Amino acid sequence: DSGVTQTPKHLITATGQRVTLRCSPRSGDLSVYWYQQSLDQGLQFLIQYYNGEERAKGNILERFSAQQFPDLHSELNLSSLELGDSALYFCASSSEPTGLSYTFGSGTRLTVV
Amino acid sequence: GQQVMQIPQYQHVQEGEDFTTYCNSSTTLSNIQWYKQRPGGHPVFLIQLVKSGEVKKQKRLTFQFGEAKKNSSLHITATQTTDVGTYFCAVETSYDKVIFGPGTSLSVIP
Repeated sequence: DSGVTQTPKHLITATGQRVTLRCSPRSGDLSVYWYQQSLDQGLQFLIQYYNGEERAKGNILERFSAQQFPDLHSELNLSSLELGDSALYFCASSSEPTGLSYTFGSGTRLTVV
Repeated sequence: GQQVMQIPQYQHVQEGEDFTTYCNSSTTLSNIQWYKQRPGGHPVFLIQLVKSGEVKKQKRLTFQFGEAKKNSSLHITATQTTDVGTYFCAVETSYDKVIFGPGTSLSVIP
């Protein structure tokens, strides 16, 4: 157990739907990062939050949004889902916003049918 | 934008053989990290290199940061089946986001 908790582990949904993925960072970590991993794209950085504030943005689609709550857990919202959104979504956390290693959760596997 | 390349993309080795993967950046790096992802698992942090020319060892794994801080290598001596997985390098960009290389997938034939 890495200490980073992601729920749900698996999610199957239809095109056009909206889903929410949840991440609880490791105790004491203030930074949360979201990554998308698909077979042909590797690990793609989506977005980073630090202590409730958005800190860095990557290749995140406009249909996707995220937030970090006062208790530091984070949610990634994916809407108007397309088949191509099927992927593993990882959350990672670290204690500082830069320069340190990440601890990854076990991921949420999203399948859009 | 900043690009991170890794070679080779795939490597199949006989158990006991050595393995090396290389990570190359288009820009000078402040630091570089290495992660391992087992099949069906999540990335796990292995090490971080910060200094030019730095060499770190973890048992059979040797990590090196280039003198110009634009490249790095991971060398595994005498591979074992437990080394199977994908090895990623990760670098921090000037925009405070960490990007991962495409990874090198290692298969070990017993």
